[in-house]
Amino acid sequence: DAGVIQSPRHEVTEMGQEVTLRCKPISGHDYLFWYRQTMMRGLELLIYFNNNVPIDDSGMPEDRFSAKMPNASFSTLKIQPSEPRDSAVYFCASSFRTNAYNEQFFGPGTRLTVL
Amino acid sequence: GENVEQHPSTLSVQEGDSAVIKCTYSDSASNYFPWYKQELGKGPQLIIDIRSNVGEKKDQRIAVTLNKTAKHFSLHITETQPEDSAVYFCAVRGNTPLVFGKGTRLSVIA
Repeated sequence: DAGVIQSPRHEVTEMGQEVTLRCKPISGHDYLFWYRQTMMRGLELLIYFNNNVPIDDSGMPEDRFSAKMPNASFSTLKIQPSEPRDSAVYFCASSFRTNAYNEQFFGPGTRLTVL
Repeated sequence: GENVEQHPSTLSVQEGDSAVIKCTYSDSASNYFPWYKQELGKGPQLIIDIRSNVGEKKDQRIAVTLNKTAKHFSLHITETQPEDSAVYFCAVRGNTPLVFGKGTRLSVIA
């Protein structure tokens, strides 16, 4: 298995532009998580899906952030409009039937820089 | 919600020495405690985990101990090697998905 795939790996954009981050979870996994990592705040859970349905988006910082999962093999995280404070590494992770004991598998991340 | 505190934020050890990283949590209902290792340019990867009904678990040079009464757990790495240099995250899970600590940057000096 190729693991969790994220694209792009690096994104540099200017303030005000729309940014779309993409994720392909591991085949067969039914949970998908989006995280943001910064030095100040560490790893923050933004939103997670179960069977393509958003379960908890309380971590999404603002209305500028939105996430979708149109099918079991694809998810997007969109920021519109982007701001310099959105600069961070964004990770996607997936797991199978999350209960108390299931490992989350992380993608390599997308490093976003907003100028 | 759950609050996870991780210490220290940075740790330097000589190759061959032991390293210990500690985490505390707030929700007594939490029942799963994994540790993730993040190497440069990569996503975090699970290295060891422990469930609430176990006090200690060991896997070769790494071990995790859990004190549910005190609500803290620790990662122990013995005979450290340069390839152990990375950022380590503790995490806690109860009725919600994982809540991560802020990470410990471990440097093993050869």
